[in-house]
Amino acid sequence: EIVLTQSPGTLSLSPGERATLSCRASQSVDSSYLAWYQQKPDQAPRLLIYGTSSRATGIPDRFSGSGSGTDFTLTISRLEPEDFAVYYCQQLGSSMGIIFGPGTKVEIK
Amino acid sequence: QLQLQESGPGLVKPSETLSLTCTVSGGSISTDTYYWGWIRQSPGKGLEWIGNVFHGGSTYYNPSLKSRVTISVDTSQNQFSLELRSVTAADTAVYYCARASFGVVTAYFDYWGQGNLVTVSS
Repeated sequence: EIVLTQSPGTLSLSPGERATLSCRASQSVDSSYLAWYQQKPDQAPRLLIYGTSSRATGIPDRFSGSGSGTDFTLTISRLEPEDFAVYYCQQLGSSMGIIFGPGTKVEIK
Repeated sequence: QLQLQESGPGLVKPSETLSLTCTVSGGSISTDTYYWGWIRQSPGKGLEWIGNVFHGGSTYYNPSLKSRVTISVDTSQNQFSLELRSVTAADTAVYYCARASFGVVTAYFDYWGQGNLVTVSS
């Protein structure tokens, strides 16, 4: 089964800086099924990106996704105060199972 | 605006069955475009997919939970439900319901409920 690894575990940055989050799959995956979510404390996850690079409705264009094969990236071009949160990647595995990565926490430096 | 709301007990005894319902408002659960799913998150941990259901009743489950899980749909009530049998403390989590775009070229959850904390304890 596919395993997703996210790095770094924690990213310490200041507002205005660029954030680059990595999601690596244990084997090559279909980029159509790669999604990213943002989760703030005591809130449900929010869909940011689907299909590797398509922004969900209402998501600001400072969020972008890229990648293919086994390596995928979520980039936040300039961090806003509300962007400090945990980010999860998600992929469709074999037998139509959904797999989440362990998450990357973006914290204020 | 589509809304999802989980409901069910917040406390379940070990070995018993956890039952939750998700009520969908602002849209029909009988759409052919979407599945409906359950995801959970243990305290301080990451997200774990439990399973998805289509309005016609077809289901997909996490292999690690499949033997204990049933997800069903009640189109007349615009609801879908989760049953998790033989629970242990390891099943303590916030349980989310969500709408799933889940098909040939898509797999993501775009609308989520607020979550329902279920604690397994005697």
